[in-house]
Amino acid sequence: EAGVAQSPRYKIIEKRQSVAFWCNPISGHATLYWYQQILGQGPKLLIQFQNNGVVDDSQLPKDRFSAERLKGVDSTLKIQPAKLEDSAVYLCASSFFVGQETQYFGPGTRLLVL
Amino acid sequence: TQLLEQSPQFLSIQEGENLTVYCNSSSVFSSLQWYRQEPGEGPVLLVTVVTGGEVKKLKRLTFQFGDARKDSSLHITAAQPGDTGLYLCGRSGGYQKVTFGTGTKLQVIP
Repeated sequence: EAGVAQSPRYKIIEKRQSVAFWCNPISGHATLYWYQQILGQGPKLLIQFQNNGVVDDSQLPKDRFSAERLKGVDSTLKIQPAKLEDSAVYLCASSFFVGQETQYFGPGTRLLVL
Repeated sequence: TQLLEQSPQFLSIQEGENLTVYCNSSSVFSSLQWYRQEPGEGPVLLVTVVTGGEVKKLKRLTFQFGDARKDSSLHITAAQPGDTGLYLCGRSGGYQKVTFGTGTKLQVIP
């Protein structure tokens, strides 16, 4: 079974630029999560989707971050414009359904904002 | 948001030593999970504990859920270099807010 795929693996941009990350969850997984992990900290949930609907986006900085999962499969997370403090690893995870405790994580995208 | 505090923050030990890391919260959890994250990778689920006082073993790793379901511990016996990584406790899944602890970074020196 293929795991959660993310791209790109690394991205370096200058502040005020835009960036987008892509995630393809495990086939058949209805729930998809985006996390931000700052160096030395645990992951922080940004947004949770159930199919193509948003379950929780309370910690998503909506003035600059946006995410979509139009067809209920893959997802994109966008930052526009980026700030220095957005430098982090962005992790995508999926689970079979909401209420299932096991999340499967992708390898993450490492973003450096200069 | 239920805050999860982990201790110690960093731990560097010699191969063969034993260690314990802790995860504490002021709130009761219905269940708690432990993950290990290796450099450059996403976290991987190790175990889920559900019942107060529950003990689960995974080879040299022993996980315990506190009786009051507010705390948990992970004990590693005879640590090996392959145990190196970031250990995270967390509650995830369901309609409840997803929360991870601050993490314990473990380095096992050969």
